[in-house]
Amino acid sequence: ILNVEQSPQSLHVQEGDSTNFTCSFPSSNFYALHWYRWETAKSPEALFVMTLNGDEKKKGRISATLNTKEGYSYLYIKGSQPEDSATYLCAGSGNAGGTSYGKLTFGQGTILTVHP
Amino acid sequence: GAGVSQSPSNKVTEKGKDVELRCDPISGHTALYWYRQSLGQGLEFLIYFQGNSAPDKSGLPSDRFSAERTGGSVSTLTIQRTQQEDSAVYLCASSPRPDGQETQYFGPGTRLLVL
Repeated sequence: ILNVEQSPQSLHVQEGDSTNFTCSFPSSNFYALHWYRWETAKSPEALFVMTLNGDEKKKGRISATLNTKEGYSYLYIKGSQPEDSATYLCAGSGNAGGTSYGKLTFGQGTILTVHP
Repeated sequence: GAGVSQSPSNKVTEKGKDVELRCDPISGHTALYWYRQSLGQGLEFLIYFQGNSAPDKSGLPSDRFSAERTGGSVSTLTIQRTQQEDSAVYLCASSPRPDGQETQYFGPGTRLLVL
């Protein structure tokens, strides 16, 4: 996967709002799509690894969907809290000739700020 | 168990000096990755080690960059003759296997500033 794009670049919401971000990627040679949360001064934390078209995963108030045919994934946060403030990264891995590649291609990230 | 650790956490160096960044992966993980994030950029792949196979060095930006992984565990990323454009956060990650469906576990990073 050569080009992963995320939108928006940044987002400001009020506590309690629900929000969502988009990750788009080339649908050819798709193998897996990863979502990470990266808080300032901490390690990026894995949220989801998604592989199947139509996949939907959930972790607490955060959920994600995957459409491999059209090449996009959405991340949703329900009832945002100030502690959700972080950079949300998506990354893709490709599959060529039956060989999967461990290396990830990351998008630029979406910076979420949740105001109390 | 212990996560991925990196040292130093911060490094300030002068242009032209060499630097070494260290990564201790999670014990038993066969795959180890190096990425970096320059200011205003996304995370950029540098190199990855996949067990006993040859490393994938396709992301190294120049021949000033090299990395090794000794005994299948600790890895060192070396930057020779540092330039200001090398300033970035360097992140190391490991996964149980070198497979794109495996979660990668990241360390806290080394923040490198080249003056």
